[in-house]
Amino acid sequence: AQKVTQAQTEISVVEKEDVTLDCVYETRDTTYYLFWYKQPPSGELVFLIRRNSFDEQNEISGRYSWNFQKSTSSFNFTITASQVVDSAVYFCALSEAYTGNQFYFGTGTSLTVIP
Amino acid sequence: GAVVSQHPSRVICKSGTSVKIECRSLDFQATTMFWYRQFPKQSLMLMATSNEGSKATYEQGVEKDKFLINHASLTLSTLTVTSAHPEDSSFYICSADGTSLAKNIQYFGAGTRLSVL
Repeated sequence: AQKVTQAQTEISVVEKEDVTLDCVYETRDTTYYLFWYKQPPSGELVFLIRRNSFDEQNEISGRYSWNFQKSTSSFNFTITASQVVDSAVYFCALSEAYTGNQFYFGTGTSLTVIP
Repeated sequence: GAVVSQHPSRVICKSGTSVKIECRSLDFQATTMFWYRQFPKQSLMLMATSNEGSKATYEQGVEKDKFLINHASLTLSTLTVTSAHPEDSSFYICSADGTSLAKNIQYFGAGTRLSVL
């Protein structure tokens, strides 16, 4: 079964619009970590955020914000006032305590910001 | 921040040759490194987990004799694609477990695009 689901395959927005990328996860572990990575066209994965299962506080970093809700097993990512440089594929990932450092990646959401 | 260097970034080779890809953690030690494969417009598929000083753990369906992994030091893991064929053409990405810096974060290399002719 898919442990991380990113239902949005592709999203296009016009520059300066806000956009939310959805991530739903599945785990039986009580201790786990959630991540978002950005993969620009160059290919490298850029770490954006890590959240542990005991910290449901939302986080804001500049134009980026994350909403973690255990009740709905979701860890959504919002970009405010999107810019062309935000165009990339964004991956949500899960790491469970009992499987060590193995990551389970979602299928990614390709975001295109149109100038 | 933590840097993982992956080399080469791109390689084109003839069918039947072997290709070695290096993954180095530049400013931290990584007892565990991971090798992923990514097909166009798809997610990352974990191929194997590389542990320093021991044999790699391969995911189901990944041929260990085809994809040789060596993790000889705390900062270097290598993936050798032996007798490469066109179907091995793909984007290969390594990551290093950054637990020495912060628990459960993987830092990724820039990837290697392999094209087998």
